[in-house]
Amino acid sequence: ETGVTQTPRHLVMGMTNKKSLKCEQHLGHNAMYWYKQSAKKPLELMFVYNFKEQTENNSVPSRFSPECPNSSHLFLHLHTLQPEDSALYLCASSQDRAGRVGRQYFGPGTRLTVT
Amino acid sequence: GEDVEQSLFLSVREGDSSVINCTYTDSSSTYLYWYKQEPGAGLQLLTYIFSNMDMKQDQRLTVLLNKKDKHLSLRIADTQTGDSAIYFCAESNAGGTSYGKLTFGQGTILTVHP
Repeated sequence: ETGVTQTPRHLVMGMTNKKSLKCEQHLGHNAMYWYKQSAKKPLELMFVYNFKEQTENNSVPSRFSPECPNSSHLFLHLHTLQPEDSALYLCASSQDRAGRVGRQYFGPGTRLTVT
Repeated sequence: GEDVEQSLFLSVREGDSSVINCTYTDSSSTYLYWYKQEPGAGLQLLTYIFSNMDMKQDQRLTVLLNKKDKHLSLRIADTQTGDSAIYFCAESNAGGTSYGKLTFGQGTILTVHP
């Protein structure tokens, strides 16, 4: 138990659906991250939020829309996804971007399948 | 940009030592990390080393850093079946626009046979 929870753990959606992934951290951290983990690629950083402000968007398609209403919650809104978007989506948090660099705590991930 | 490379598979017998290797390209890396991912779980930080160190030991884990060759290794002594997992090498640096950003390798799948 890392203190970072993600729901749902598994999601199957069609290409025309709209769904959201949720991440919550109970560690008092100020930075939160979304990563995509595919079978054949290294872990890809998608978005970074620091003190609720988005500080990084790694050229992610607009069909992925993040939202960070407060430092404890992070959402990833999904719409009109493609089958190649099927992957494990991991959320992580850290003290903040200026803290102990790289000490990120990961949630268990949401396994997304786009049909 | 930064790049981190690892071999994809390693298979060892229970009780033997495992050595997982990693190379990276960013000469300004400040910290280097080893993360472990068990099936169905997220990544868990195992250990990390600051770039001005060349070795760090933590119980069964030994991290060696050769900064000149940009080579990092993780040695697991007395490997157990519970060590079977994917091990990710990652690096970050403390400067510029990449501040705090982790770059991960592809991960090494360690399989431990009884």
